Amino acid sequence: DAGVIQSPRHEVTEMGQEVTLRCKPISGHDYLFWYRQTMMRGLELLIYFNNNVPIDDSGMPEDRFSAKMPNASFSTLKIQPSEPRDSAVYFCAIRVLRYTEAFFGQGTRLTVV
Amino acid sequence: TQLLEQSPQFLSIQEGENLTVYCNSSSVFSSLQWYRQEPGEGPVLLVTVVTGGEVKKLKRLTFQFGDARKDSSLHITAAQPGDTGLYLCAGDYSGSARQLTFGSGTQLTVLP
Repeated sequence: DAGVIQSPRHEVTEMGQEVTLRCKPISGHDYLFWYRQTMMRGLELLIYFNNNVPIDDSGMPEDRFSAKMPNASFSTLKIQPSEPRDSAVYFCAIRVLRYTEAFFGQGTRLTVV
Repeated sequence: TQLLEQSPQFLSIQEGENLTVYCNSSSVFSSLQWYRQEPGEGPVLLVTVVTGGEVKKLKRLTFQFGDARKDSSLHITAAQPGDTGLYLCAGDYSGSARQLTFGSGTQLTVLP
C-alpha cells in the first residue's frame, strides 16, 4: 500500500554491523507499529507509537533494538549490533484510530550473515 | 501473555473444496480482524468483527465471531487458486493497551 513506504526493501549485512530500517507513513494516522515476521514465530509486534510517543515496547527483543519516531511522517528501527537471528522481514504499519484497519508497508527483508 | 492460536497451520486443498480456519484465544477481544498476505507483501485487511455472534460475508468468505468474543472462524466456499495465501487473524484485547496481536497464520494452497 502506497500509504506506508519502507526502505530498504532488502538488506544484507554482516553480523555486528548496525542496521537502520526506515518507515515513511502517510499523514493522518494516530498509531504506527513495527512488526517482525519469521516462519518460526509469525508476525510479532515489536513496538507501537501513538502520536509519535512510544506506548508499548514490550515486544522489543533486546537492548540491541531501538525505535524512534521524530515526527508523524518518519520512523526508524535500529539494530546495533545485528546478529544472524535477527534475520526476518520487518514491517511497518499504521492505523488511523484504534480498532480500525491497519495498513502495512511492503516490508524490509533483513539478512544478517 | 495473550496468545492467539490459529489452526490449521497449513492447508492444501483442491479447487472447489470448502475449508475453515480457526482463531482462538483465552482472552476476550474488543475487535478481531482477518488479513490475507501474499508473498513479498504486507497483510491486507479482509474484515473486522466487533460484536459477539457477528457473521460477515465477503463473496465466498464467511467470517464468524464467537458469542464470547474469544474465537473466530473463516470459512471459504468453493476455494479457487486465487485464494492461495497466508491468512492471519489479529485481535485487540479488551482492557489492554496492547494492539493488534496476530495469530501464527494459516498458509492456504488451493490446487487447480
